[in-house]
Amino acid sequence: GDSVTQMEGPVTLSEEAFLTINCTYTATGYPSLFWYVQYPGEGLQLLLKATKADDKGSNKGFEATYRKETTSFHLEKGSVQVSDSAVYFCALTNSGGSNYKLTFGKGTLLTVNP
Amino acid sequence: NAGVMQNPRHLVRRRGQEARLRCSPMKGHSHVYWYRQLPEEGLKFMVYLQKENIIDESGMPKERFSAEFPKEGPSILRIQQVVRGDSAAYFCASSPIQGEQETQYFGPGTRLLVL
Repeated sequence: GDSVTQMEGPVTLSEEAFLTINCTYTATGYPSLFWYVQYPGEGLQLLLKATKADDKGSNKGFEATYRKETTSFHLEKGSVQVSDSAVYFCALTNSGGSNYKLTFGKGTLLTVNP
Repeated sequence: NAGVMQNPRHLVRRRGQEARLRCSPMKGHSHVYWYRQLPEEGLKFMVYLQKENIIDESGMPKERFSAEFPKEGPSILRIQQVVRGDSAAYFCASSPIQGEQETQYFGPGTRLLVL
């Protein structure tokens, strides 16, 4: 079945450091790929998405590129802020009639120190 | 505009008791999804409901678990005779439109601990 593997946390960075959180996937067909973020005490929010190979999703300074050849969708940000501290989830949905089913990775806790 | 509400946020039950988790979707949303996150695992799809209908329950355990979304009131995920393996975070999401995954809005989750 479909699966998502993402970088083990926790990740601790200083403010303005470069961030990479790795995410790879296994899926049949042509999945759509997502990054969700969960701030403390809140629900998951969609951060960015990409629906086909070589697409780049971006939002709030975060970027991720859909790489079909390496089955990856790594999350990057050039300069993190304290307010980026949260849990980040990589996820996919697959094509077909049940494309509402999100398959998630385990989540990566990011802590950014001032 | 309030987001998706879930209550309780934390629930402690002893083995054999019943657990009821509630989810109030965003205003105007008629589609509800439940996901479970077991310790050290990612969120996993459990069930998709519309008002008064279960559309897809392929992720629900075959026994002890049930879900409903009545015409009035919140969606309820019910776990009968809980066991320690049911300890997990349960997330609810809602959407206004069927099948468009990017419009699923998530609640903060209910953390269930079974003693």
